[in-house]
Amino acid sequence: GAGVSQSPRYKVAKRGQDVALRCDPISGHVSLFWYQQALGQGPEFLTYFQNEAQLDKSGLPSDRFFAERPEGSVSTLKIQRTQQEDSAVYLCASSLGSWFKDSGNTIYFGEGSWLTVV
Amino acid sequence: GENVEQHPSTLSVQEGDSAVIKCTYSDSASNYFPWYKQELGKRPQLIIDIRSNVGEKKDQRIAVTLNKTAKHFSLHITETQPEDSAVYFCAVSDGGGGADGLTFGKGTHLIIQP
Repeated sequence: GAGVSQSPRYKVAKRGQDVALRCDPISGHVSLFWYQQALGQGPEFLTYFQNEAQLDKSGLPSDRFFAERPEGSVSTLKIQRTQQEDSAVYLCASSLGSWFKDSGNTIYFGEGSWLTVV
Repeated sequence: GENVEQHPSTLSVQEGDSAVIKCTYSDSASNYFPWYKQELGKRPQLIIDIRSNVGEKKDQRIAVTLNKTAKHFSLHITETQPEDSAVYFCAVSDGGGGADGLTFGKGTHLIIQP
């Protein structure tokens, strides 16, 4: 596709349930980001991949959050034992070049996965 | 880490008037300053960006100005139209060669009154 694609768009999880959110970046994009956006707030950085390498995971809020990009294209964000405070929109974004080398490549966002934990 | 302040949080203007949104940042090494527009339930979309070697950039009704000395930059929208109603986010890259992406402001809800 032409843009960043995310699935599912909406997910309702019971507290304690594990969830997996998928991201298909723009084809050929080296950089992939995950952001968390709470209601009424700006996106907050979670983690960054350069191809298959996870170069920064400093934004992951706890060890219940795990992300992978095994083949350098599709990425999955997994949240284990979900809590109510995990309710948010999870945005995936990609960029053509290496953000690690040049922090000025345009970042394109997906529509997000809306997670509600009940 | 980087700290980005954005104001106002809400801005209401008459259709046809201009709107200005301002952001300040803390890291003098920051070198990339994009603005994103986000409509309700939609993805953030890049509308304009500026790099640290430029003081001003314009694209039709939208312009961004950057003052590196004062560490602030502003979004200017002229001749506002109803479709400009949305939440606008400023963002800053840390410029330090790290990989933590963009730091966003808290957003400005722009309301265009008919």
